[in-house]
Amino acid sequence: NAGVTQTPKFQVLKTGQSMTLQCAQDMNHEYMSWYRQDPGMGLRLIHYSIGAGITDQGEVPNGYNVSRSTTEDFPLRLLSAAPSQTSVYFCASSPTGTANTEAFFGQGTRLTVV
Amino acid sequence: AQSVAQPEDQVNVAEGNPLTVKCTYSVSGNPYLFWYVQYPNRGLQFLLKYITGDNLVKGSYGFEAEFNKSQTSFHLKKPSALVSDSALYFCAVRDPTDSWGKLQFGAGTQVVVTP
Repeated sequence: NAGVTQTPKFQVLKTGQSMTLQCAQDMNHEYMSWYRQDPGMGLRLIHYSIGAGITDQGEVPNGYNVSRSTTEDFPLRLLSAAPSQTSVYFCASSPTGTANTEAFFGQGTRLTVV
Repeated sequence: AQSVAQPEDQVNVAEGNPLTVKCTYSVSGNPYLFWYVQYPNRGLQFLLKYITGDNLVKGSYGFEAEFNKSQTSFHLKKPSALVSDSALYFCAVRDPTDSWGKLQFGAGTQVVVTP
């Protein structure tokens, strides 16, 4: 069972370029989310979704865009990359309506913006 | 608003000694609390959770955590640490009244176990 799959694992972008980080899960989870991990700051929520067609902003949404057209996929778009977006990005999923369940995380995407 | 604090950036312990990683939280009402571990260049792995009931929760790899409501703490413990326990540990909280179930993470604590 694949769980949560993120692609690519590594990416280097030039300032101003755009790209999409892919996230897919095969557990039929309704809730999906994107976090960024920076040293000393833990994981901060960027955007999340509770189902197809429903998304909302998290703690640090600026510079990122999301959409949710299917239950399985939740891509994160960087509109115009900036060096401040250099980070490790994690996608997570969990069943909705059951806040007592744990989240499942992908392996992460390490992004460097130069 | 919910928040989580992990007061120690790093914990150093000798192999075979007890390991404790501290976590305190702030949330209205009764919290849902989680511990995750991250090995180098890997994603987060779930260790254990407290939802309700017994304050002592047992999880994966011999870890356990104690929920203390009066001290708003959820410290992670292991009686005898292994070198392989060296990793980054995250405490997280969910507000049960939040229908979206957003997880709030602490800053993380690096655990270093020396042989």
